[in-house]
Amino acid sequence: QLQLQESGPGLVRSSQTLSLSCTVSGASVRGDSYWSWIRQPPGKGLDWIGYIYHTGSAYHNPSLKGRVTLSVDTSKNQFSLTLNAVTAADTAVYYCARRYSSNGNYFDSWGPGTLVTVSS
Amino acid sequence: SVLTQPPSVSGAPGQRVTISCAGGSSNIGADYDVHWYQQIPNTAPKLLIYGNNNRPSGVPDRFSASKSGTSASLAITGLQPEDEADYYCQSYDKTLSGDEIFGGGTKLTVL
Repeated sequence: QLQLQESGPGLVRSSQTLSLSCTVSGASVRGDSYWSWIRQPPGKGLDWIGYIYHTGSAYHNPSLKGRVTLSVDTSKNQFSLTLNAVTAADTAVYYCARRYSSNGNYFDSWGPGTLVTVSS
Repeated sequence: SVLTQPPSVSGAPGQRVTISCAGGSSNIGADYDVHWYQQIPNTAPKLLIYGNNNRPSGVPDRFSASKSGTSASLAITGLQPEDEADYYCQSYDKTLSGDEIFGGGTKLTVL
């Protein structure tokens, strides 16, 4: 059974860099899926951040204006998110998820999420 | 949000409710599939419907969905207390608004 688990600091200082990892178990990141990051500000809806394929091919939400870097480590079966120059607006629960492709592209498995708070 | 959902809907146990998801010509109207998620408070979203009207294994057949033109809808029949949650639609948008897009979410209250 596929499981994903986010890890990383829960508190980041404003203007610094947010770094999170997602460990995948029950499937290989080398599989034919994109590995994704989605966030949810407190009390608000879901925002797609981006996703990456095991080859390193990545796509991200243009609204993040180049602050995002995605990477994948096939040896650890992990993928990671780096978000630069964070502000309070980046405070959110961050989810990693698998983007599955069949009858469209959707997120079929999610991690439990991790709350990241940006402090001033 | 590029996809518009009503902020809230409600219904009594046993009733039928629907949640709409209105898009445009660059997403739902461009024939991109619509998917639906259920989010119980303080938990991760769960895939409820994929490919417009397909239920993953384990999702009760009380949940169904449809798509027409530039919009989609989720229907829940035989409403149960455990259905109280937030529901999100998701699709793809071919403009610079972002590849994957979510609706703003709808809070379902079971009265």
